[in-house]
Amino acid sequence: QKEVEQDPGPLSVPEGAIVSLNCTYSNSAFQYFMWYRQYSRKGPELLMYTYSSGNKEDGRFTAQVDKSSKYISLFIRDSQPSDSATYLCAIGTGGSQGNLIFGKGTKLSVKP
Amino acid sequence: GAVVSQHPSWVICKSGTSVKIECRSLDFQATTMFWYRQFPKQSLMLMATSNEGSKATYEQGVEKDKFLINHASLTLSTLTVTSAHPEDSSFYICSASQRGETQYFGPGTRLLVL
Repeated sequence: QKEVEQDPGPLSVPEGAIVSLNCTYSNSAFQYFMWYRQYSRKGPELLMYTYSSGNKEDGRFTAQVDKSSKYISLFIRDSQPSDSATYLCAIGTGGSQGNLIFGKGTKLSVKP
Repeated sequence: GAVVSQHPSWVICKSGTSVKIECRSLDFQATTMFWYRQFPKQSLMLMATSNEGSKATYEQGVEKDKFLINHASLTLSTLTVTSAHPEDSSFYICSASQRGETQYFGPGTRLLVL
C-alpha cells in the first residue's frame, strides 16, 4: 500500500459547484497535512496547512483532516474557472527536515 | 512572504553539456532545500534534500554524481545536471523550508536536452 493515495481524476465540474478532493494515508505518524495547487507548467502553491483533526477554513477553501480514518479532504465552494489546476495533497511527519510525501495530484477542471 | 525563485525558468541544451539551476529563498532563511523532478502528468518526485553547509541526501535511484547539489548559504541552493542526456529532460522544482515547517516551492525550471 502506498503511503499516500490520491485519485488522479480528471475531475470536471460546472462553475459554482462544490468540489471535494481527497487523500488517504497509511502511516499514523504523519502529523502535518497540506494542500498545494499547481497550475500547468508552474511550481506548486501552498493552499492550506493543518496539523490537527477537524476543519480549517480559508475563504472558499476548507481543509478537513480525520486522523482516525487517515483521510484528508479539501473542499472548494463556489468553484471558479480559475480554480482549474492540479491539486496535490502532501503529508509529513514533521521534524527538522520537513520532508513531505505527495499524492499524485487530482486534475480539476471548472467549466464556465 | 515565503517567496522562492528559480533561475533559469527554462533551458535548452545539447546532449553532453552541464546545466546549473539556482534556487533562492528571497525573504526567509531556508535551513533545508529540496529538489524535485516532475515528468508530464506525474506527481513530484523528490530527488534530494540539502541542508545548508552539509552534503545533500539523495533519494534511492538518483545518481549523486550526475545531479550535483550545493547548498552554500541559507538562501541559495544549486542543482547541476552533469552531462545531460535527453532522458534528463523534465521539470525541475525546488522548495525551501525553514526549521522543518512547510515547504514553499519555486516556479520550476523546464529542461530540454536535445
